[in-house]
Amino acid sequence: GGIITQTPKFLIGQEGQKLTLKCQQNFNHDTMYWYRQDSGKGLRLIYYSITENDLQKGDLSEGYDASREKKSSFSLTVTSAQKNEMAVFLCASSLDWGGRDTQYFGPGTRLLVL
Amino acid sequence: AQSVDQPDAHVTLSEGASLELRCSYSYSAAPYLFWYVQYPGQSLQFLLKYITGDTVVKGTKGFEAEFRKSNSSFNLKKSPAHWSDSAKYFCALEGRSNNRIFFGDGTQLVVKP
Repeated sequence: GGIITQTPKFLIGQEGQKLTLKCQQNFNHDTMYWYRQDSGKGLRLIYYSITENDLQKGDLSEGYDASREKKSSFSLTVTSAQKNEMAVFLCASSLDWGGRDTQYFGPGTRLLVL
Repeated sequence: AQSVDQPDAHVTLSEGASLELRCSYSYSAAPYLFWYVQYPGQSLQFLLKYITGDTVVKGTKGFEAEFRKSNSSFNLKKSPAHWSDSAKYFCALEGRSNNRIFFGDGTQLVVKP
């Protein structure tokens, strides 16, 4: 078994601020993901990383940067927070990419921009 | 185009009834299909997946789903439903050729005791 931890759990920012969300996994998985979940909606892929130091853009990458410094960690940066933005950011990992692997999700970071 | 549709935003039923949550997809080739569940205040958890082979797949917590290529569906089923099944359920598709992943908007299930 393993676990995914996300920090912080709650994040309140100001308009225009750069905000960083962190994710750690101890599954020893190669692939990690960042999703955005808006209220009442499904998940949309922001960035994913197939292996350490790899970065791939998802459908919602504009306005975000990501960093995979090591296998176990994957960071997401909101480059300029938008006023009244409210969403949950979910980190996930899977054993491999493109192999129909199950994704394991973290508890999420809830973002509110004032 | 690749997409997932969960046409029922909310489903309410009584404990003991049979539940079926609908999922349809659009993809030109055979997809990988998944169901995840999100309990209140928690993150998503894997329920089951279809990769190939038997069109009826069984997952955790007594759930099963049937892949129907003829109408591009992957409906989730369980009988009988229990109040603890109340949660939000997400259907997801991964394209075999491009490995892009799409989630539906989810179905909020309420099972009344």
